[in-house]
Amino acid sequence: DQQVKQNSPSLSVQEGRISILNCDYTNSMFDYFLWYKKYPAEGPTFLISISSIKDKNEDGRFTVFLNKSAKHLSLHIVPSQPGDSAVYFCAARDTGGFKTIFGAGTRLFVKA
Amino acid sequence: DVKVTQSSRYLVKRTGEKVFLECVQDMDHENMFWYRQDPGLGLRLIYFSYDVKMKEKGDIPEGYSVSREKKERFSLILESASTNQTSMYLCASSPGLAGAETQYFGPGTRLLVL
Repeated sequence: DQQVKQNSPSLSVQEGRISILNCDYTNSMFDYFLWYKKYPAEGPTFLISISSIKDKNEDGRFTVFLNKSAKHLSLHIVPSQPGDSAVYFCAARDTGGFKTIFGAGTRLFVKA
Repeated sequence: DVKVTQSSRYLVKRTGEKVFLECVQDMDHENMFWYRQDPGLGLRLIYFSYDVKMKEKGDIPEGYSVSREKKERFSLILESASTNQTSMYLCASSPGLAGAETQYFGPGTRLLVL
């Protein structure tokens, strides 16, 4: 049973528009959430994170929103650029835990 | 700049062979992890280690073992490779005690078991 779910395997967006990637989780003990970005033939790289005590965190073009009551988070990329084309993994960690649970990933295509 | 390196980018092995995947990090991180990445399943944790000679099972440890004799090196061992272990293997490291900090990943090893 997947504790972190990314229900959209892929997303296609026009350059300059907003990309919204969604993630749902089931474990209410998760207290820290992260997004990683992965290009082909490379390992994932950290993109942005959010603690459960916040509902929004922003870093340049990237914003992560957390809705704890709905157990839902989303990553917004504005404006989207062709270089943003990659697989995005949502991840979550529970309090005091060593393990980070990853979602299945969403492949983003940004068309020029 | 954190660097995590993996010994091979591509590997082809026969069923039943013993396979060693090596991972080295140069940032003195306490925690090291081995994941496998499969389509539709994301990254699944095989084993992790929070200190030298310490190891903990992840979510899918069956068919694998690990070794951490030095802080910078974490090895994944497939005792007898099987075709269902064909996958992308990713090593990662992180500083700190509870793995709260972000993980730094190597480039991955794509393993094909025939």
